[in-house]
Amino acid sequence: AQSVAQPEDQVNVAEGNPLTVKCTYSVSGNPYLFWYVQYPNRGLQFLLKYITGDNLVKGSYGFEAEFNKSQTSFHLKKPSALVSDSALYFCAVSSGNFNKFYFGSGTKLNVKP
Amino acid sequence: EAQVTQNPRYLITVTGKKLTVTCSQNMNHEYMSWYRQDPGLGLRQIYYSMNVEVTDKGDVPEGYKVSRKEKRNFPLILESPSPNQTSLYFCASARGGNNSPLHFGNGTRLTVT
Repeated sequence: AQSVAQPEDQVNVAEGNPLTVKCTYSVSGNPYLFWYVQYPNRGLQFLLKYITGDNLVKGSYGFEAEFNKSQTSFHLKKPSALVSDSALYFCAVSSGNFNKFYFGSGTKLNVKP
Repeated sequence: EAQVTQNPRYLITVTGKKLTVTCSQNMNHEYMSWYRQDPGLGLRQIYYSMNVEVTDKGDVPEGYKVSRKEKRNFPLILESPSPNQTSLYFCASARGGNNSPLHFGNGTRLTVT
């Protein structure tokens, strides 16, 4: 069975500090991994994706994610958090035949000034 | 502007009264999908469509119907809504292919009493 786990319901970080939002996955075949962000009363917005190639993927708004095949993880990172980064973050995985996406339960990121 | 448009944004109805949530995209995307978002569960896929007249079940299709008569439209139909279908619903589209990110609408908050 394919699944995504986000072990932290909430992450708190001070503005200017680095942040990490964790994601682990289980999928048969090669994974296609995505991060999305959701602001209040809005739909999800695409941040970045991993398909193949470099394990460190750079995305929008200064976010990056590190793919680790041996640990089946795809953690979202940012070197210096902003208050405006406060939102709900979702990790998602797609199977190789691209018909289904599986989402994690979401992690609420709180960045305090 | 490229977008996915859902209507209505908010809907309150009673058990058993048929309803339709519309979804339209203007990006000529082949792939469209419906999700429901519930606290602690993330997003779960209801139905998806790879192209016109091609639809298939996601992980939680019970109580829902869809149709894809035109490429741009993908309505979600609840023939006989029940209170357990109270949720936040999102429509999404993608260009197609294994590495295409999803573009989401702004959501429809449905309450069934």
